[in-house]
Amino acid sequence: GDSVTQMEGPVTLSEEAFLTINCTYTATGYPSLFWYVQYPGEGLQLLLKATKADDKGSNKGFEATYRKETTSFHLEKGSVQVSDSAVYFCALRALRGAQKLVFGQGTRLTINP
Amino acid sequence: KAGVTQTPRYLIKTRGQQVTLSCSPISGHRSVSWYQQTPGQGLQFLFEYFSETQRNKGNFPGRFSGRQFSNSRSEMNVSTLELGDSALYLCASSTQPGDGQTQYFGPGTRLLVL
Repeated sequence: GDSVTQMEGPVTLSEEAFLTINCTYTATGYPSLFWYVQYPGEGLQLLLKATKADDKGSNKGFEATYRKETTSFHLEKGSVQVSDSAVYFCALRALRGAQKLVFGQGTRLTINP
Repeated sequence: KAGVTQTPRYLIKTRGQQVTLSCSPISGHRSVSWYQQTPGQGLQFLFEYFSETQRNKGNFPGRFSGRQFSNSRSEMNVSTLELGDSALYLCASSTQPGDGQTQYFGPGTRLLVL
């Protein structure tokens, strides 16, 4: 079945460091890919998305490129801030026309000043 | 525009009881999905509704059920609660099903089963 694998956390970085959170997926067909972020005590917020191969999603300095050949959608940011501390989820939507999302386990990111 | 609203935010029940959770989507949104979030299993899809019809269902026992009303508000019900049902239940809405649609999540209802 469809699945998403994220790098194990937690991840701790210093402010202004470069961030990479790895995400790979298994799916039939051509899924849409997403990164969601969850701040403490809140629901999920869509961070960025890509709907076809080689698409690059970007938002708030975060980027991820849909790589079909490596079935990956790694999240990157050039210079993280303390306010980026949160849990990040990679997800896919495989069923066309459906809203069902399959999520990775989440990666807790802590940025120290 | 108000976001997705979920009520109640916190709930404590005992084993064997039943519970009903409510979700009000963003105004104009007609598609609602539910997810269960636990530390062990992560985020898992429960159901998806559009125009009062269940379109997809996740791999959960029949104790979990849901419905959607004509005003797009949705409820989910869990009967005969078990300890393992303790979780954060998240609701998400979008304008309609479709590949280009963004899902907006509510803050969740945290259920504790004792």
